[in-house]
Amino acid sequence: DIQMTQSPSSLSASVGDRVTITCRASQTISNYLNWYQQKPGKAPKLLIYAASRLQSGVPSRFSGSGSGTEFTLTISSLQPEDFATYYCQQSYSTLITFGGGTKVEIK
Amino acid sequence: EVQLLESGGGLVQPGGSLRLSCAASGFTISTYAMSWLRQAPGKGLEWVSLISDGGDNTYYPDSVKGRFTISRDNSKNTLYLQMNSLRAEDTALYYCAKHRGGNSRDFDYWGQGTLVTVSS
Repeated sequence: DIQMTQSPSSLSASVGDRVTITCRASQTISNYLNWYQQKPGKAPKLLIYAASRLQSGVPSRFSGSGSGTEFTLTISSLQPEDFATYYCQQSYSTLITFGGGTKVEIK
Repeated sequence: EVQLLESGGGLVQPGGSLRLSCAASGFTISTYAMSWLRQAPGKGLEWVSLISDGGDNTYYPDSVKGRFTISRDNSKNTLYLQMNSLRAEDTALYYCAKHRGGNSRDFDYWGQGTLVTVSS
């Protein structure tokens, strides 16, 4: 199975900050990398697919980059509604796997 | 509007069985791949099964292979997950999710989840 490792596991940031989350795959996955946002008590929401493509309706302050084994999710200016847990997911293999999550908390 | 509504969760003893349902509306499930995923309390996301858009291919991780079976009833536009030989570690909130389309294996719509608790 392809292992996905996210870092950091949590971070504290202020409104307006630029935030970057990293996801690493245990083998190359081309650009088959997706990002989700999950708020407490809610289902995950797709933010980015194919490493860098913004899902419809997602604010442009969210962006994704990377290919191969290293990927990043960037929030250019953190907003109050962005405090949540973020997960990466590889879709290269039919055995789909997720990273462990990054909790973004208010500083 | 796309909606997914899971049901069938509950308390079951170790070794028992449960069947989850996911009623879809706003789209036709036979034209999309669909998956079940789960999230143990306070933990991360785990994918547990996939059925292809054609319905002829299914996939499972080793953690549930041989115990869980994904299926669908196109006439009812409903997805199912039959879970047998349940273990304490299967306790989780179970989500059904629609794949975005084509050959994609990312998920653009999720249900609200149904809770499965395996305990004696």
